[in-house]
Amino acid sequence: DQQVKQNSPSLSVQEGRISILNCDYTNSMFDYFLWYKKYPAEGPTFLISISSIKDKNEDGRFTVFLNKSAKHLSLHIVPSQPGDSAVYFCAARGGAGNNRKLIWGLGTSLAVNP
Amino acid sequence: ETGVTQSPTHLIKTRGQQVTLRCSSQSGHNTVSWYQQALGQGPQFIFQYYREEENGRGNFPPRFSGLQFPNYSSELNVNALELDDSALYLCASSSGGMAEAFFGQGTRLTVV
Repeated sequence: DQQVKQNSPSLSVQEGRISILNCDYTNSMFDYFLWYKKYPAEGPTFLISISSIKDKNEDGRFTVFLNKSAKHLSLHIVPSQPGDSAVYFCAARGGAGNNRKLIWGLGTSLAVNP
Repeated sequence: ETGVTQSPTHLIKTRGQQVTLRCSSQSGHNTVSWYQQALGQGPQFIFQYYREEENGRGNFPPRFSGLQFPNYSSELNVNALELDDSALYLCASSSGGMAEAFFGQGTRLTVV
């Protein structure tokens, strides 16, 4: 039962173009969504997040969009750079108070070609 | 500000053995979560510790246990290792109600 789904295992884009990574979720009680980037042999690195009360959050080249009615969020990277090549994980926060945990998708491997 | 550090970075154990993995949380963080990431999978939540007490657990058997110490560092113990326990084990620290969590580099455990 995958509550957070990243249906594209991989994505390839040209340097300078836009990368769009998608994530769907099933639990309407999730209140916070996060994107992490992971390079091989390293732990995931926090990238950007969005609260469920917002529909957009922007940080430099990275923008996350949330569509609550569709239970869908996306990460846009513009312009894409070769250094962005990594596995991107979508995570959703569930639970309450201090008993919260992150539910993770399976990841999307992004390759940005020079 | 000290980041999250895990030790050891790599480990090979034999089926049936026991293993202890260690994690030092980021300065100022009182919550530590442990994850198992198998090849080709996303991280799977094992359990979480807040102020030395377990306050959340995923679908892992009791042979996975943990501790959190007064300085908020943490250990993950796995007894009776099985071949399927081979994975990258990630530790993440956060503050209180947990928004962004910061990860260590992970411990790669191989069970043979």
